Amino acid sequence: KQEVTQIPAALSVPEGENLVLNCSFTDSAIYNLQWFRQDPGKGLTSLLLIQSSQREQTSGRLNASLDKSSGRSTLYIAASQPGDSATYLCAIWGGGGADGLTFGKGTHLIIQP
Amino acid sequence: NAGVTQTPKFQVLKTGQSMTLQCAQDMNHEYMSWYRQDPGMGLRLIHYSVGAGITDQGEVPNGYNVSRSTTEDFPLRLLSAAPSQTSVYFCASSYSQSAETQYFGPGTRLLVL
Repeated sequence: KQEVTQIPAALSVPEGENLVLNCSFTDSAIYNLQWFRQDPGKGLTSLLLIQSSQREQTSGRLNASLDKSSGRSTLYIAASQPGDSATYLCAIWGGGGADGLTFGKGTHLIIQP
Repeated sequence: NAGVTQTPKFQVLKTGQSMTLQCAQDMNHEYMSWYRQDPGMGLRLIHYSVGAGITDQGEVPNGYNVSRSTTEDFPLRLLSAAPSQTSVYFCASSYSQSAETQYFGPGTRLLVL
C-alpha cells in the first residue's frame, strides 16, 4: 500500500525567501503526483500535476519536481509572499480503483510579513 | 463553469439520523469521488464512480452509500450517522480515471452529536 510522507509538517519563514517542501512515497509505480493548496476551512486547489514520465512542472513562482526512482517530489516556491500561507498537500495517483488519490498529511506553511 | 459544488457547507446531526451530502459538477467529468478529511489522518477515499450507473468502494466505505444516476451528480448518503463520521467531506472529479487533474469541491463540514 502506497504511503506518502510530507516533511516538514510545519514551516514558518519571512517573506521573500525561497523555500522547498518535500514529499516522499514508498511505491514508485505511480501514474502522477499532484500538489494541492488548502486554505483554512476551504477546499483543495490543484497547483501542479506531474505525470510519471515527467521530471518537473512549473507554474509562475512554483516548480515541482519528481524523482520516481528515489520516491521523492519537491515543491519549490520562489520569492514567498504572505498570500502563500496555507497547507500544501502532496497526493499520488496510483491508477485509480479503491486507492484513489493517496495523500500526505500536508505541510502547514506560514509566510511572515 | 461552477466547477465542483457541494451542499450543505455545514451540518449538525444527532446520532442515528440520516442525511445526504450533495455533489455536482458541470465539467462533464466521468470520474467522481468522495473523501473525508480528519485531523492527523489526511484525506481518505470513501466511494468513487467511473461513470453514470457505476460506483465502487474506496478505503473507508462503511456507513456510507452512493449512487450515480447522472454524469453531473454524485450524492453521498449517511444512513445512520455516528460520532465517528464527524469529519470534513470533499467531493472531487476528473475527466477520466486516467492520469488527470482532480478538481475538488469546497467541502461539507459534518458534526455528529
